[in-house]
Amino acid sequence: DAEITQSPRHKITETGRQVTLACHQTWNHNNMFWYRQDLGHGLRLIHYSYGVQDTNKGEVSDGYSVSRSNTEDLPLTLESAASSQTSVYFCASSDHRGTDTQYFGPGTRLTVL
Amino acid sequence: QKEVEQNSGPLSVPEGAIASLNCTYSDRGSQSFFWYRQYSGKSPELIMSIYSNGDKEDGRFTAQLNKASQYVSLLIRDSQPSDSATYLCAVNRDNNNDMRFGAGTRLTVKP
Repeated sequence: DAEITQSPRHKITETGRQVTLACHQTWNHNNMFWYRQDLGHGLRLIHYSYGVQDTNKGEVSDGYSVSRSNTEDLPLTLESAASSQTSVYFCASSDHRGTDTQYFGPGTRLTVL
Repeated sequence: QKEVEQNSGPLSVPEGAIASLNCTYSDRGSQSFFWYRQYSGKSPELIMSIYSNGDKEDGRFTAQLNKASQYVSLLIRDSQPSDSATYLCAVNRDNNNDMRFGAGTRLTVKP
């Protein structure tokens, strides 16, 4: 069955370290997304991609970067982790723009000490 | 004003009752609307999508959209304890993927 996976599921890191969160989907979807979820804010879009070599900034992109070298993967990098980036991170994918359903991965809980 | 607003709850209803969840949005250019359910510690899963004014029914769930009032709602009939979760309203702008989510309404269905 097609799926979307994230790794690691839990991560503790220190302020200033570079962290990369992995997202892999086997739906063969063109579109992939990264969100963070914090209490009181719901889900907020960090970056998204419409296909290989395409990346776009979302609502809260500062301090994060992504790259898309193939259809299946969209890794999220925190260049220099900050305590404000402690959150739960969800990756999602969809087949078409705009009206299509986004399918979410299981999430990564990141703690920055 | 947040772009997508939901009452955070908690909303508590007895088993078998109708649960009514509401959402308002600020961007009149919004074209597509979604309700996701999220159990504690899990990822969001889609319940309903709606794109045109009126009602859309799927089993025990009915989504209602009123673009003039910038209002979308979700009704859950015959509520079950398994419906206890946080419900997220999501709104997508004109044909892109810049989806905006509300903070969610926590629903508790009491046996």
